[in-house]
Amino acid sequence: GAGVSQSPSNKVTEKGKDVELRCDPISGHTALYWYRQSLGQGLEFLIYFQGNSAPDKSGLPSDRFSAERTGGSVSTLTIQRTQQEDSAVYLCASSRQWSSTDTQYFGPGTRLTVL
Amino acid sequence: ELKVEQNPLFLSMQEGKNYTIYCNYSTTSDRLYWYRQDPGKSLESLFVLLSNGAVKQEGRLMASLDTKARLSTLHITAAVHDLSATYFCAVGGGSNMLTFGGGTRLMVKP
Repeated sequence: GAGVSQSPSNKVTEKGKDVELRCDPISGHTALYWYRQSLGQGLEFLIYFQGNSAPDKSGLPSDRFSAERTGGSVSTLTIQRTQQEDSAVYLCASSRQWSSTDTQYFGPGTRLTVL
Repeated sequence: ELKVEQNPLFLSMQEGKNYTIYCNYSTTSDRLYWYRQDPGKSLESLFVLLSNGAVKQEGRLMASLDTKARLSTLHITAAVHDLSATYFCAVGGGSNMLTFGGGTRLMVKP
């Protein structure tokens, strides 16, 4: 597709349930990032994938959060035992290659609401 | 730890006026980005600034970077209603991650 796509666009879940969020990067982009945007914390980096290298997980807020990227393309962010403070918009971005100057292009986001 | 501060956080402008949004950051970086976000939408890339003294312009928006002062500005000239949005600056750090400012919500009134 022309841009980064994410699914679902909205997800409502009950506290304690697991959720999976999906990201399809722009075709040919080798770098993929997850961020989240919440009222209290603004925009925060979560995790970064570059090709087949080990991901940078330094932004993950707890061990309930994990992400994988299969075949160097699609990525899934998994949140286990969701808590109300996990409610946020989860944004995925991709960039062309591992270069510090490449622009990150963002997807539309998944709005997660934990009841 | 890299910190990025924007000000103002909220800006209400009259159409036709000029104003500047400021973005300060705490540690050395060689790249700074400006993004726009409309309500309920994702982030749209506006500018990439990669060197000291860099200036980029698109329409009524002009961005500049002073790496020595660790300051970027986004200048709005003769504002129009269509510019109403939230503007974020983001500074590049380790592992290509971006650290974002808190955003400036711009409202342009007729």
